[in-house]
Amino acid sequence: DADVTQTPRNRITKTGKRIMLECSQTKGHDRMYWYRQDPGLGLRLIYYSFDVKDINKGEISDGYSVSRQAQAKFSLSLESAIPNQTALYFCATSDSRQGAFEQYFGPGTRLTVT
Amino acid sequence: RKEVEQDPGPFNVPEGATVAFNCTYSNSASQSFFWYRQDCRKEPKLLMSVYSSGNEDGRFTAQLNRASQYISLLIRDSKLSDSATYLCAVIVKAAGNKLTFGGGTRVLVKP
Repeated sequence: DADVTQTPRNRITKTGKRIMLECSQTKGHDRMYWYRQDPGLGLRLIYYSFDVKDINKGEISDGYSVSRQAQAKFSLSLESAIPNQTALYFCATSDSRQGAFEQYFGPGTRLTVT
Repeated sequence: RKEVEQDPGPFNVPEGATVAFNCTYSNSASQSFFWYRQDCRKEPKLLMSVYSSGNEDGRFTAQLNRASQYISLLIRDSKLSDSATYLCAVIVKAAGNKLTFGGGTRVLVKP
């Protein structure tokens, strides 16, 4: 079984709809992240959480919100989806006890906003 | 200027050849460095961390040049399965230990 899972894997939604992307991990890591990837722009950080009570904005947080329901779960919401939020979204985890802070990624959610 | 920059490629490499490419970073306080591999439409997967003294993992060698602020990845004896996009990532601990990624370098190994 995958250590980091994301649901849904693919989603098509309409402009203005609220949508939630979910991420769960069994790695026991304390830190979790949400990224989006667009062609030619690489991975950009949306939000990150160093523990359940610590949520931080990344470089492109506008239009997004997050919830860290438990150490193992971190969800990303688009309150009112717009077409330029069409992208590939990745969740990632890392373990603060590991000095090098490598991150491990989920399989991604492909979101299309029409 | 982007914090982390990579040549997008593609680097077209004959099977069995050696290919090398760099990643430059702008923040001199960067402290941890990584190479990730990403296959088309898949998640990035950690290929290797980059240590100050350089490190090797099989056919892959990573180097860090702090003076010129770049890291490099060299792939020897390229295999068809090495075709992928290679992302470099940098951590600045003072900036909250967040990973900043480059845009990736695409490598295509051809028979």
